Amino acid sequence: GAVVSQHPSWVICKSGTSVKIECRSLDFQATTMFWYRQFPKQSLMLMATSNEGSKATYEQGVEKDKFLINHASLTLSTLTVTSAHPEDSSFYICSAELSMGPGTGELFFGEGSRLTVL
Amino acid sequence: AQTVTQSQPEMSVQEAETVTLSCTYDTSESDYYLFWYKQPPSRQMILVIRQEAYKQQNATENRFSVNFQKAAKSFSLKISDSQLGDAAMYFCAYDPKTSYDKVIFGPGTSLSVIP
Repeated sequence: GAVVSQHPSWVICKSGTSVKIECRSLDFQATTMFWYRQFPKQSLMLMATSNEGSKATYEQGVEKDKFLINHASLTLSTLTVTSAHPEDSSFYICSAELSMGPGTGELFFGEGSRLTVL
Repeated sequence: AQTVTQSQPEMSVQEAETVTLSCTYDTSESDYYLFWYKQPPSRQMILVIRQEAYKQQNATENRFSVNFQKAAKSFSLKISDSQLGDAAMYFCAYDPKTSYDKVIFGPGTSLSVIP
């Protein structure tokens, strides 16, 4: 199956700093990737849809200036948490769908990134 | 608006036994995908099973099978011969084919497997 790699898997940063999380599709091209946030024992909350070569589409209530998304190539999307604060601490997950061939709807997920802001 | 409901926050099953996880959804669409995803303690989500709404036959994947009742908008997952590695969070998900690929996840069911 298709592989999505997310890096880093965990990061600790000081309040006020920025953190970048990468999401790569290793063996397929992904024109669209998705970024989720997950709180403990809760479901995935879609933050934004990342589109290759264009601006991301943010869900209602998600600050686009706080969570910068860049999808510069067909295999890489990045999420930058700017001026991070303790309330931004969470588990962030990316996913991608195959761009070519018959659609199956299946999403391929990265390993997730746990962010802790001190 | 589409919604996905999982009424069982937690379930447990004895090893080698069978367990059924419930999922209901609400939509006005006629064609869509339904999925069950598993999130083990490692936290990476993986696909368990997939169902296309226009297919009446229930999907099966080895020990995993679904009971898809389109009229009732129900999509339950049956795990047979449960194994310790089945312990995880299970999320039911709805994908509206006709919309812009925005998958909706249910709140999840935490499954414990008792040795």
